[in-house]
Parts: sequence; structure tokens; C-alpha cells
Amino acid sequence: AQSVTQPDIHITVSEGASLELRCNYSYGATPYLFWYVQSPGQGLQLLLKYFSGDTLVQGIKGFEAEFKRSQSSFNLRKPSVHWSDAAEYFCAVGRRTNQNQAGTALIFGKGTTLSVSS
Amino acid sequence: NAGVTQTPKFQVLKTGQSMTLQCAQDMNHEYMSWYRQDPGMGLRLIHYSVGAGITDQGEVPNGYNVSRSTTEDFPLRLLSAAPSQTSVYFCASSYSGGNTGELFFGEGSRLTVL
Repeated sequence: AQSVTQPDIHITVSEGASLELRCNYSYGATPYLFWYVQSPGQGLQLLLKYFSGDTLVQGIKGFEAEFKRSQSSFNLRKPSVHWSDAAEYFCAVGRRTNQNQAGTALIFGKGTTLSVSS
Repeated sequence: NAGVTQTPKFQVLKTGQSMTLQCAQDMNHEYMSWYRQDPGMGLRLIHYSVGAGITDQGEVPNGYNVSRSTTEDFPLRLLSAAPSQTSVYFCASSYSGGNTGELFFGEGSRLTVL
């Protein structure tokens, strides 16, 4: 069965420091992988996604993630964190249809809450 | 641009009552799905649909029913509410063409079952 594990429940990073949020997935084939961000009381916003090709993907707000098949990982990184990045981050894996299309529905990890200290 | 619209935004129910959470999208997306979000649990897939007349169960379907009679609407029904169904519910839709895979979420519906 598909699953996503985010090992870190809560991370605190100093403003300006680098960030890495970990994500491991379980999937029988090449996965569709996503990172979403949720600010308090808000819905979810897509940061970036991986379908195929280049294993380093760039997203919005200066985020990037690297797909490593050998480690079943899709870690999210940002070189310099801003106070506005404080939020909850979700990694997700997408179900494929029989037509190999993505995005029917997602399986989410439990999330990592990011706090930014000044 | 309305996007994905969920109603109501807040609801309080008593145990055993039934209700329907409404979800409508105006983006002509074929795929729609319902999630519940609970503290420390992330978002869990309840039911999803790949098109009108086609639905399937997700991770936590028990206690919920769905139907998809039109492309636009995907209501979630609680037949007999239980306190364990207290949660924030999100509806999402996505484009079936190509491989974009991005889900567009509604603003959420906060349900409390007493």
C-alpha cells in the first residue's frame, strides 16, 4: 500500500538558516510526489511536484526537493528560511489511474510543523 | 474565479444526526476527492472520484458516503454522525488531462460532533 512518512513532527530553524524537511514514501512504481504547505487556518498550497525526469525540482517561494529512488525519499530544502515560512508542510504521493495519469487523489504524510526563530 | 467551494464552513452536530458537506468546483476538473484533517494525523483520504458516476474509497471511508452525479459537485454525507468524525474536512479537485497532478483545495469545513 502507498504510504508517506515524515519523520520530524516539529522543526525549529533560525531565520536565515537552511532548511531540510524529510519525506520517505512507499510505492510500488515510480511515484508522483508533492510537497504542500498550509498556513494556520488556511487551505493547502502546492510548493512543488515530481513526476519524472530531473530529480531536483524547483518550486515556489525558493523551495526545492530532490527525488532519490534508492532511498525512497523526497526531501524538501530551502537555503535561507524567512519568518513567513513558518507553517505546516505535507509530503504526498499521488495515485495513478489506469491511464497513468496523476492527481486523482493523494496520500499525505502526517506533516512537519516549521517554526522560525529570530 | 470561485475554484473549489465548500459549504458550510462550520457545523455542529449531535451524535446520530446526519448531514451533507457540499463541494462544488467550476474548473471542469474530472477528479475530486475528500480528506479529513486531524491534529498529528495529516490529511487522510476519505473518498475520491475520477468522473461523474465513478467513486472509490480512500483510506478512511467508514461512516461516509459520496456520489458524483455531475462533474461539478461531489457531496460528502455523514449518515449517523459520531464524535470521532469531529474534524476539518477538505474537498479537492484536479485536472485529469496530462500529468499536472496539482490538487486545488477548498477552504475547509470544520465539523464538531457532540
